[in-house]
Amino acid sequence: DADVTQTPRNRITKTGKRIMLECSQTKGHDRMYWYRQDPGLGLRLIYYSFDVKDINKGEISDGYSVSRQAQAKFSLSLESAIPNQTALYFCATSQGLYNQPQHFGDGTRLSIL
Amino acid sequence: DQQVKQNSPSLSVQEGRISILNCDYTNSMFDYFLWYKKYPAEGPTFLISISSIKDKNEDGRFTVFLNKSAKHLSLHIVPSQPGDSAVYFCAASALTNAGKSTFGDGTTLTVKP
Repeated sequence: DADVTQTPRNRITKTGKRIMLECSQTKGHDRMYWYRQDPGLGLRLIYYSFDVKDINKGEISDGYSVSRQAQAKFSLSLESAIPNQTALYFCATSQGLYNQPQHFGDGTRLSIL
Repeated sequence: DQQVKQNSPSLSVQEGRISILNCDYTNSMFDYFLWYKKYPAEGPTFLISISSIKDKNEDGRFTVFLNKSAKHLSLHIVPSQPGDSAVYFCAASALTNAGKSTFGDGTTLTVKP
C-alpha cells in the first residue's frame, strides 16, 4: 500500500462545482502539504499544516481551503471551481524537521470544464 | 520572482555518459537543497540532498555539488541509465521560513540507449 494516498486520481467537473481532494498517510508524519503543478512548471504550495491544529496558507491559497481532520488526513477543497484551477495536485508529508525530504502521493489530475 | 530556477527544460544524453542538471537560486537564506525525481503518473520521489555547510554529497551514481558563492547547485548522474529518464526538480528550503520548500520548474532528462 502507498504511504501517501490521494483520492480521486482523476476528476472532471464543471465550473462552479464544489470539489474535495483527499489525502491520507500512513507514515506518521506531522507535516502535510498541498501543491499544485501546471504544465512545464514546478510545484507551488497551496496550504500546509504542521500539526492538526496548525493550518497555514502557501503562495497560492486563493480559491482553496483545507481541513486537517486527523494527523493522517488532509483534504483540499475548491469551493467553486473555475477552469484555471485545472492542474495536477499533489499531497506531501514530512517529518517535523525542516531538512527532511517530503513524501508525495501520486497526484490528482483535476479538469474543470 | 522565481527564487529557484532550472534554466534547462530538457536534457538528452547517451546511456553510460554523464548527465548534469543545473539549478540556480536567489535567496541567500536557503540552507538546504534537495533533488526529486518524477516519473509520469507518479508523485516526485526524493533523490538526494545537501546542506549549505557542505559542497558535495554523493550517493551511488548521484552526486550533488553546491557552490554557495554562485548560488548554484548541480546534480551529476554517472553513468546515466535509461531508467533515469524522468523529470528532475530542484528544491530549496530555509530554517527561517519554517522549512517550506521552494521548487524549480524541473528538467526533463532523457537517457538514450
